[in-house]
Amino acid sequence: DVKVTQSSRYLVKRTGEKVFLECVQDMDHENMFWYRQDPGLGLRLIYFSYDVKMKEKGDIPEGYSVSREKKERFSLILESASTNQTSMYLCASSRRIVQGYEQYFGPGTRLTVT
Amino acid sequence: GNSVTQMEGPVTLSEEAFLTINCTYTATGYPSLFWYVQYPGEGLQLLLKATKADDKGSNKGFEATYRKETTSFHLEKGSVQVSDSAVYFCAHDGSNYQLIWGAGTKLIIKP
Repeated sequence: DVKVTQSSRYLVKRTGEKVFLECVQDMDHENMFWYRQDPGLGLRLIYFSYDVKMKEKGDIPEGYSVSREKKERFSLILESASTNQTSMYLCASSRRIVQGYEQYFGPGTRLTVT
Repeated sequence: GNSVTQMEGPVTLSEEAFLTINCTYTATGYPSLFWYVQYPGEGLQLLLKATKADDKGSNKGFEATYRKETTSFHLEKGSVQVSDSAVYFCAHDGSNYQLIWGAGTKLIIKP
């Protein structure tokens, strides 16, 4: 079974703190993704990565950065957390194939910024 | 551009009722189509998929048929259970290995 794990299920941080969300997958997938999920807004792509040290902006990259130093690990960084970044964060991975590249998701991290 | 439109929820049904959640898509070419399910407090799981026209994906009693002529991929189940209560997302593969997502449909099944 493909496994995508995220470092925390729940996280509470203060405004202005630097926050690291870690994601690890064990299926040797090339692609990895970070989404945020908010009520009424569905899934929104923050950043994605095709390969080690590669990153691409998604639809809402402002206020976030990412790091991919190893193939299995993709980190999301909130440089200075703000209350409007309170959300559910979902990590996903997929193979780099031509078609049918379904994504496999982690359990999510619910982040609260106070 | 690419998009996915799902019926708005919440959809509320009684146990053992028949379920349909509509999904239509806009895409160039012949995308693969997916249904994902998200149970409360969890991440998304792939429920079923179809990769070409007239394919039927099925899993856990759910089915969806890839209809190219109507650009649709409606999710159906003959008899729903309380445990099917979840949010269901329709998606298709777009460019750059990304998935194009619908907004999600919340399903509530009452005993």
